[in-house]
Amino acid sequence: SQQGEEDPQALSIQEGENATMNCSYKTSINNLQWYRQNSGRGLVHLILIRSNEREKHSGRLRVTLDTSKKSSSLLITASRAADTASYFCATDDPRVYFGTGTSLTVIP
Amino acid sequence: DTGVSQDPRHKITKRGQNVTFRCDPISEHNRLYWYRQTLGQGPEFLTYFQNEAQLEKSRLLSDRFSAERPKGSFSTLEIQRTEQGDSAMYLCASSTRWGLAGEEQFFGPGTRLTVL
Repeated sequence: SQQGEEDPQALSIQEGENATMNCSYKTSINNLQWYRQNSGRGLVHLILIRSNEREKHSGRLRVTLDTSKKSSSLLITASRAADTASYFCATDDPRVYFGTGTSLTVIP
Repeated sequence: DTGVSQDPRHKITKRGQNVTFRCDPISEHNRLYWYRQTLGQGPEFLTYFQNEAQLEKSRLLSDRFSAERPKGSFSTLEIQRTEQGDSAMYLCASSTRWGLAGEEQFFGPGTRLTVL
């Protein structure tokens, strides 16, 4: 079964706004990763955060991890239409389990 | 670097037939994963290999499913006596794994299976 659960399931924002999506998981992990999936490019890795890290940045992406709450968040700043995709968190314990995903729509 | 490739990209079969999918990982990657994804869901872990050794199989992988990676390079996933519930996208991913460091997985485009 899938370990992660993203929230919200769907999110629609205007271009230029920030998008925040959350992930909750059930068991202890070594790492947590975020992936993006769209019809054009398939599943693409965005960022990995280790269990001993609390925050990580990559370009317009900011990821936080709270292992005490077993949760993570992904913030996309200054969103673009090209960010329209489904976003998944994946936990590594060491099996890799994906969540159910957040469908993000960025309206130009 | 050609990335992870999968063949075929689409497969339509009749219930009860056997199908086989192939995955070619990135050449220097020692780990290879198989996932299944249905509409509106995230990828579900099926199995993974470290080199040629199959280290773990999900309970989702019934007796009708078998995966191999005979020389630690490409892998095949076979489904015997297909059922309509097997219809899904089958994804392959590869990565390098050294020690306990996490790794990025590189995904192939997937094989979409439709069982009639």
